Amino acid sequence: NAGVTQTPKFQVLKTGQSMTLQCAQDMNHNSMYWYRQDPGMGLRLIYYSASEGTTDKGEVPNGYNVSRLNKREFSLRLESAAPSQTSVYFCASGRGTVGEQFFGPGTRLTVL
Amino acid sequence: GENVEQHPSTLSVQEGDSAVIKCTYSDSASNYFPWYKQELGKRPQLIIDIRSNVGEKKDQRIAVTLNKTAKHFSLHITETQPEDSAVYFCAAGGSNYKLTFGKGTLLTVNP
Repeated sequence: NAGVTQTPKFQVLKTGQSMTLQCAQDMNHNSMYWYRQDPGMGLRLIYYSASEGTTDKGEVPNGYNVSRLNKREFSLRLESAAPSQTSVYFCASGRGTVGEQFFGPGTRLTVL
Repeated sequence: GENVEQHPSTLSVQEGDSAVIKCTYSDSASNYFPWYKQELGKRPQLIIDIRSNVGEKKDQRIAVTLNKTAKHFSLHITETQPEDSAVYFCAAGGSNYKLTFGKGTLLTVNP
């Protein structure tokens, strides 16, 4: 089992460019999450999907969109990147309504 | 929504000493409290968790205690080793699929 995988590992964008971060899990989990991690700020939830076909906003959703493509895949899109979106992005998945979340390896994004 | 406060933000101990990290939460509906360890450049990984029907849980050198009345929970690491050096995050969650994380504690264990 690969667990949770993310692509790309690193990305540099210019202000105004768009990109999609990809996430996939092979653990048959229902719920999936996108977090961003900034120094001294912990992990902040951007969007989550409780099950296939549903998505909901987290703490910091502005400037992002998500798609739950199927049970395995959950993508995060930046339509017009801003320097404030420079961060490390983690995808995670979990089994039920509350419990352990399994994290992917992260994507380090820099917006110039 | 839930708010989780974590202290201290940095902690330095000598090898073999104990380390304690404390968290408080605001939402009385929260019933799941995990602790994650994140080594430099790596992903967060669960090290121990506790649910609200339990007051204490141990796993070898680590333990977590929960005081629901006071809305606080703590991570205790005994006999610390250099490989315990990492950032530790507490979190709180209820039946709404979400976890709210504290801002993290950088633990340094000096040989």
